[in-house]
Amino acid sequence: AQTVTQSQPEMSVQEAETVTLSCTYDTSENNYYLFWYKQPPSRQMILVIRQEAYKQQNATENRFSVNFQKAAKSFSLKISDSQLGDTAMYFCASPNQAGTALIFGKGTTLSVSS
Amino acid sequence: GAGVSQTPSNKVTEKGKYVELRCDPISGHTALYWYRQSLGQGPEFLIYFQGTGAADDSGLPNDRFFAVRPEGSVSTLKIQRTERGDSAVYLCASSLKRGNEQFFGPGTRLTVL
Repeated sequence: AQTVTQSQPEMSVQEAETVTLSCTYDTSENNYYLFWYKQPPSRQMILVIRQEAYKQQNATENRFSVNFQKAAKSFSLKISDSQLGDTAMYFCASPNQAGTALIFGKGTTLSVSS
Repeated sequence: GAGVSQTPSNKVTEKGKYVELRCDPISGHTALYWYRQSLGQGPEFLIYFQGTGAADDSGLPNDRFFAVRPEGSVSTLKIQRTERGDSAVYLCASSLKRGNEQFFGPGTRLTVL
């Protein structure tokens, strides 16, 4: 079965600092997307960033960027200049083999303090 | 109404009762997904609809769970003879088509007493 592994259950960082959340995944596909979602206490899952596996360039969205290592099947999320509003649970996700669902990791709880 | 909506936001029921959870996807999204999220875990796939048909229901845990999407828009997840272990947040998501990024609703928190 395909798996997505997030090895850091909790992370803490102070405002303005940079933090990296790790994720490894398992797939036999060549072309696929990878996603990071944010889930604040409101429960709403919000897409943070996505990476297309056939693109070598790492995706960037404002303060959020990824370090995508296809051969190692690693997909980490870097948050620069952390803000209090970044406090949330972060989930890494990859599609299942059929492309009919996302497989999520167990999540990393990120706390940003002032 | 740009986003995915789900009703009710919270549902409390007794063991053995029947419940229905509703999802209204983003207009024009042909793909619709249901997930279940237990406390402290990531969402787990239940079922995927392409249009009106359930294209993948491999995530449904047993035959007490059923979902429909009769007109290719709104979907209802139905749970019969609820058990305490069914307590979780049920998330619905939609995407323009299969494989695109999924947009999630706020979820329904189901509590079975």
